[in-house]
Amino acid sequence: GQQLNQSPQSMFIQEGEDVSMNCTSSSIFNTWLWYKQDPGEGPVLLIALYKAGELTSNGRLTAQFGITRKDSFLNISASIPSDVGIYFCAGRRSGGSEKLVFGKGTKLTVNP
Amino acid sequence: EAQVTQNPRYLITVTGKKLTVTCSQNMNHEYMSWYRQDPGLGLRQIYYSMNVEVTDKGDVPEGYKVSRKEKRNFPLILESPSPNQTSLYFCASSHRPFGTGGETQYFGPGTRLLVL
Repeated sequence: GQQLNQSPQSMFIQEGEDVSMNCTSSSIFNTWLWYKQDPGEGPVLLIALYKAGELTSNGRLTAQFGITRKDSFLNISASIPSDVGIYFCAGRRSGGSEKLVFGKGTKLTVNP
Repeated sequence: EAQVTQNPRYLITVTGKKLTVTCSQNMNHEYMSWYRQDPGLGLRQIYYSMNVEVTDKGDVPEGYKVSRKEKRNFPLILESPSPNQTSLYFCASSHRPFGTGGETQYFGPGTRLLVL
């Protein structure tokens, strides 16, 4: 099945730095979702995006739904150690399908 | 407390021995789904259900079955497990989405399965 292209695969940053990751697809999506997964736990939904061009914030996190509907990015500002984890993007295709397609994840490491 | 529960959390079995992983949610959600997570492959959707008695295949349905007889439960059935089904499985639920906004999806804690 199709998966989204998520990059980078991993990031090693210093506490306080900003982080940016993105997802792209060859298909059009009508919903983009961003999740975070901590070790040993299930993913937790961070931000949901429903309209092309939409920019949504959740604390230090900001995500955008690309204007072409084929991409999305997530920014984390002023990173802290608890931001460590794996971040996944997911998209729902247009046409009313309920299928969710996930990226392979971005593993974030924050050095204190 | 709103939650999705899965049982068992860990399971070791042998090839061909039928097993069921249960999933239950207490939020009256219409939409439920199963995913498997494998290293380097991320999360892949196995099956989903939009409501009672309404199920459909995700991206990797081969070797799995599901049923949705009650709104709160969505068991995953492996009729004849094989080693390539060794994986970490997650159940999730949400209100029926259709991109209307305001949806929240809840994931269960995961079931780690090893098929020998």
